[in-house]
Order: sequence, then C-alpha cells, then structure tokens
Amino acid sequence: DAGVTQSPTHLIKTRGQHVTLRCSPISGHKSVSWYQQVLGQGPQFIFQYYEKEERGRGNFPDRFSARQFPNYSSELNVNALLLGDSALYLCASSLGGTEGGYGYTFGSGTRLTVV
Amino acid sequence: AQSVTQLGSHVSVSEGALVLLRCNYSSSVPPYLFWYVQYPNQGLQLLLKYTTGATLVKGINGFEAEFKKSETSFHLTKPSAHMSDAAEYFCAVTSGYSTLTFGKGTMLLVSP
Repeated sequence: DAGVTQSPTHLIKTRGQHVTLRCSPISGHKSVSWYQQVLGQGPQFIFQYYEKEERGRGNFPDRFSARQFPNYSSELNVNALLLGDSALYLCASSLGGTEGGYGYTFGSGTRLTVV
Repeated sequence: AQSVTQLGSHVSVSEGALVLLRCNYSSSVPPYLFWYVQYPNQGLQLLLKYTTGATLVKGINGFEAEFKKSETSFHLTKPSAHMSDAAEYFCAVTSGYSTLTFGKGTMLLVSP
C-alpha cells in the first residue's frame, strides 16, 4: 500500500513568490492535516480537512490557505513568501471522524527554502 | 487547550544503556498520546500510541511507554539503546476531534 505522498520533496522560492504543496493521503483516509516544522522545533498545526471541509485552522496568517479535492488529496498554498516560511511542511493522513483512536500517518514532507 | 512538555532537548546515552525520554502533557479531556521518531531529512514515523485500555504500551523497535494519569506523563523507554536509535523523538497529544499538539522534541544521541 502506498503511504502518504507529498510533492515536491524540495523547493526553493524567492521572497514574495507563491508556492503550492501537494499531498495524497493513504487510500481510504478522508482527513488530511498540514503541519509546519521549523528547524529545531516540533511540528505546528496549520490546517485540517475532512471530507473536503475545513475542520480546523492553526494560528497562521491568511497568506496560508488549503483545500481538499473529491479524491481526498490536498493542496497547501502560501502567498507572499517570507524568509520565515522556510520549513519542512508535513502532511498527515487519517481515517477521519474521531481522530484520537486511529492516529495519523505522516508523509516525508516538503522542504521549502525561501531566499 | 492541550500542551506537551518534553524535558531535555538532548539526551545522550551509551550503546546498550537504558533510554528514557520524558513527556508530560496537559489536557482538559482524556488524552490520546503518541510518540513519533524523526530521522534526518525525513517525516515522522509512529513509534507507539495510547488510546484506551492498558496503560503500558509497546511499540516498534523495542520501545514502550507508560501512561500515568496521576502524573500526566507518558515517558518513552527502551532497555538497551542501539546506534540506529539516534534520532529526534516527539511526544504528541490529541483528544476526540482535535488535531495533534507536539512537544519541541528530544534529540537522542547514542555513543559507542
């Protein structure tokens, strides 16, 4: 079985540009969450989607947006990139519903560098 | 609101020694608790999780953790460290429909 797939694996962007990160969840999983992990820190929650609806949003500016498609894949978009957006962006897949009992499976992440 | 505190940003052990990584949590509702491991330039791999039932949870690679409600702790242990255990370890908490809240991580260093 394929795990959680994220693309691209690495990305270099210039300040002010826009970026789109993509995630395909495990087959049968209906929930996707996005996390930002800055070097030396734990992952911070950005968004959660379940059945194409936004279920939760973390404390991130409006420059960050996301969506989930009918096939449950997801995109994370970041506008007007800042140097501080440089981080590993992780996508987590879960069955949905009551999350706690099932846990989350993470992809390998997209390493974004803003120069 | 939930939070996780991992005591010690770095822990050093010798190969064959006991590994103990500490995690304390705060949650207003019964928590679900997780330990993840992250190797350099990789994503997070689930080591073990506590949901309900037995408070001593066994995970992969010989790791285990014990949920202690009275101490709000979920410490990770392994009887004998191996060089391949060197990585960063994250404790996380969630409950019901909420998302994961992570600690800041503990880097485990294993010396020969």
